[in-house]
Amino acid sequence: QLQLRESGPGLVKPSETLSLTCTVSGDSVSSRSSSWAWIRQPPGKGLEWIGGMFYSGSAYYNPSLRSRVTISVDRSKNQFSLKLISVAAADTAVYYCARQDSEFDHWGQGTLVTVSS
Amino acid sequence: EIVLTQSPGTLSLSPGERAILSCRASQSVRSTYLAWYRQKPGQAPRLLIYGTSSRATGIPDRFSGSGSGTDFTLTISRLEPEDFAVYYCQQYGDSPPTFTFGPGTKVDIK
Repeated sequence: QLQLRESGPGLVKPSETLSLTCTVSGDSVSSRSSSWAWIRQPPGKGLEWIGGMFYSGSAYYNPSLRSRVTISVDRSKNQFSLKLISVAAADTAVYYCARQDSEFDHWGQGTLVTVSS
Repeated sequence: EIVLTQSPGTLSLSPGERAILSCRASQSVRSTYLAWYRQKPGQAPRLLIYGTSSRATGIPDRFSGSGSGTDFTLTISRLEPEDFAVYYCQQYGDSPPTFTFGPGTKVDIK
């Protein structure tokens, strides 16, 4: 059974870097048929795709966040990670990791990250 | 960039009633690339429908999807208590790869 779990700091200071990790069980981040994504949801608002690591090995990002985002994979730990630099209050959100095809069929439970001094 | 619009913003219905939710795209979307999710309070979204009309694993047949081009519909034939939630449509564009979500429709109890 596929499970994803987000982990990382719940509080980040403005202008610093947000770093989160998603641990995958029940599938392999190295699989040539699976891709992996980060999605976020500000409190009380809708969903926003941040970016994904495709099974081709290429990462693609939301154009609105591309200049600040990096997604990478650690095959030895079966994890993938998100880094978002220069954060501001508008980056406060619940961050989800998910398995990605042309839709998102499995999601982590989400982790709230608050940007505040 | 394709923009998705969902209507209505809120749908007030009673258990057992039929719900019809609309998702409209600013440009044509390939039917293979249109999905629907249900999100209950405090939970992650759950995939209901993919490829416009295919139910995801474990999704009951009271959920159905239809549509093509720029107009898509999610129908819930008989609302159960767990169906009072927010519903999002989502599309995938492959050149370059990108995903967008609609703003959501809240189905609440009348």
